[in-house]
Amino acid sequence: AQKITQTQPGMFVQEKEAVTLDCTYDTSDPSYGLFWYKQPSSGEMIFLIYQGSYDQQNATEGRYSLNFQKARKSANLVISASQLGDSAMYFCAMREGFFNAGNMLTFGGGTRLMVKP
Amino acid sequence: DSGVTQTPKHLITATGQRVTLRCSPRSGDLSVYWYQQSLDQGLQFLIQYYNGEERAKGNILERFSAQQFPDLHSELNLSSLELGDSALYFCASSARSGVDTQYFGPGTRLTVL
Repeated sequence: AQKITQTQPGMFVQEKEAVTLDCTYDTSDPSYGLFWYKQPSSGEMIFLIYQGSYDQQNATEGRYSLNFQKARKSANLVISASQLGDSAMYFCAMREGFFNAGNMLTFGGGTRLMVKP
Repeated sequence: DSGVTQTPKHLITATGQRVTLRCSPRSGDLSVYWYQQSLDQGLQFLIQYYNGEERAKGNILERFSAQQFPDLHSELNLSSLELGDSALYFCASSARSGVDTQYFGPGTRLTVL
């Protein structure tokens, strides 16, 4: 079974509007972290936002916020006031266990966001 | 700029050859991770080192190996290269091996002809 599922292969959004990118996850570990990364066409992976499984409040970082619904196992990324520079691939990732020997990230398949002027 | 550096940026080589990819983590980070991004497999974890010791292994082929040196830089060695090894190889680093965020380098794009 897929551990991280991103169901939207591609999305369009109008400049200055908000957009939500979906991410669902699957784990039996009570301790985990969820991450969003942005990959522009240049190829680098840019960290955007993090949510821990025990965090009581949704994470926010500037125009990015994470809509964390633990019972539904979803961690959707919300980008407010979209800009042309937001056009990129977006990856949701999970790290299971805080103090396991390995803390690798498991990635979803990504969502390509295209911002229209 | 994440502070993680990777060299070279691009690498073109032939099947059967061996290459070495190099990574320098962010200043102070002890953990280094290697990931492979390919069109068919997506982003996959290969291997992790923490302060010079191997910490975790993922879907890394036996033809691939890595090490982390005393100055904490890391090298990923890929040998007997096949066409299917063509991919973007990322190095990431984090402060420790627990809850810290992993910051990615710019990647090395490997093309095997």
